[in-house]
Amino acid sequence: EAGVAQSPRYKIIEKRQSVAFWCNPISGHATLYWYQQILGQGPKLLIQFQNNGVVDDSQLPKDRFSAERLKGVDSTLKIQPAKLEDSAVYLCASSPDRANYGYTFGSGTRLTVV
Amino acid sequence: AQSVTQLDSQVPVFEEAPVELRCNYSSSVSVYLFWYVQYPNQGLQLLLKYLSGSTLVESINGFEAEFNKSQTSFHLRKPSVHISDTAEYFCAVMTSYNTDKLIFGTGTRLQVFP
Repeated sequence: EAGVAQSPRYKIIEKRQSVAFWCNPISGHATLYWYQQILGQGPKLLIQFQNNGVVDDSQLPKDRFSAERLKGVDSTLKIQPAKLEDSAVYLCASSPDRANYGYTFGSGTRLTVV
Repeated sequence: AQSVTQLDSQVPVFEEAPVELRCNYSSSVSVYLFWYVQYPNQGLQLLLKYLSGSTLVESINGFEAEFNKSQTSFHLRKPSVHISDTAEYFCAVMTSYNTDKLIFGTGTRLQVFP
């Protein structure tokens, strides 16, 4: 089966600009996650979708981050405006259902804010 | 709340030597445990997982981990490492009551030298 697709792979922007990341999960996977991985740290969950509904966005900085999953398939994560501390790898993952154990991750988008 | 501690941020080792990457977790309820590997510029790949049953779990590429409930540990071991094992390794925990949430440790960088 095809894996979790993410684009772009790399992005460099200036602070206060906006940026968007795209994720296409494995076909049929109901649950989709966005994680933020800052250099030297483990991935941190930003938001979780079940189909096209948000299950958990408690760690999402809502003043600047937003995410949507239209039609319960693809998802977009947006940052507006970006700050220097947003520099990180943004990982998307999916799983078949809420009771599955172990996700499938995409290759990530490396964001550098200068 | 659950947490994961990976005590070693970096582990240098020579090729064909044994290695152990340490992982300790904290949780008041029963847990599922995972090890993920991240090769340079790639996403996270599931290496092995403990859900129940035998406390010793193995991966297809020679790694093994043992769940020790009394010591709340899930250390990763390999008797003989290869250059290709050079990567970042993340331990992660998920509670049996909330199988949506993976909580990651900060990672251990395994560097294998010839």
